[in-house]
Amino acid sequence: EVQLVESGGGLVQPGGSLRLSCGASGFTFRNYAMSWVRQAPGKGLEWVSSIRDSGAWTSYADSVKGRFTISRDNSKNTLYLQLNSLRAEDTAVYYCAKDAGSGTVYYYYMDVWGKGTTVTVSS
Amino acid sequence: EIVMTQSPATLSVSPGERATLSCRASQSVSSNLVWYQQKPGQPPRLLIYGASTRATGVPARFSGSGSGTEFTLTISSLQSEDFAVYYCQQCNSWPLTFGGGTKVEIK
Repeated sequence: EVQLVESGGGLVQPGGSLRLSCGASGFTFRNYAMSWVRQAPGKGLEWVSSIRDSGAWTSYADSVKGRFTISRDNSKNTLYLQLNSLRAEDTAVYYCAKDAGSGTVYYYYMDVWGKGTTVTVSS
Repeated sequence: EIVMTQSPATLSVSPGERATLSCRASQSVSSNLVWYQQKPGQPPRLLIYGASTRATGVPARFSGSGSGTEFTLTISSLQSEDFAVYYCQQCNSWPLTFGGGTKVEIK
């Protein structure tokens, strides 16, 4: 079964940091681009960041550029999101998601999603 | 940035009726448009990709159409499990952007 499991969320003060992790199983993780998408309470979906299969190429939403860093460890089948300089507006459920493409074919839409991990930024 | 606008924000439909949801892009995204369904407390589920192709396991009552800037998701006969929020997403250019969602509720 293809599965993504996020962890690392929690309550953090403004200006603080967190590292989110996403463990993948049931597919060849190193062959797929991956993304993080977030959803603020009661709001819609917002793309945050994507990384290609090798990890050599990344992209970020303007709202997080310079503060968040996406990375991956293909030997551990794990995706990461380092969140720095957190703001109240970063409060959201953060979803890890798998690209529908494979290898050098990137579609940039997501066919498998984790259940999410909640990040709350508050003093 | 391509802005995706969904309408209506809320759609009240009786079970068995047809639902038509719209998604408009601020500039052409060709056919690089997908639809997701999200139920409360759950992650999104991919429904339609390439504007009109159903994802694996998606019932035939769901259909997508359109290209360029105007897209439609149609649910031909609403079942109880279809009441949810539906999002469109363009995957034509960076940054990836989602519409604000359409909530399909029971009338």
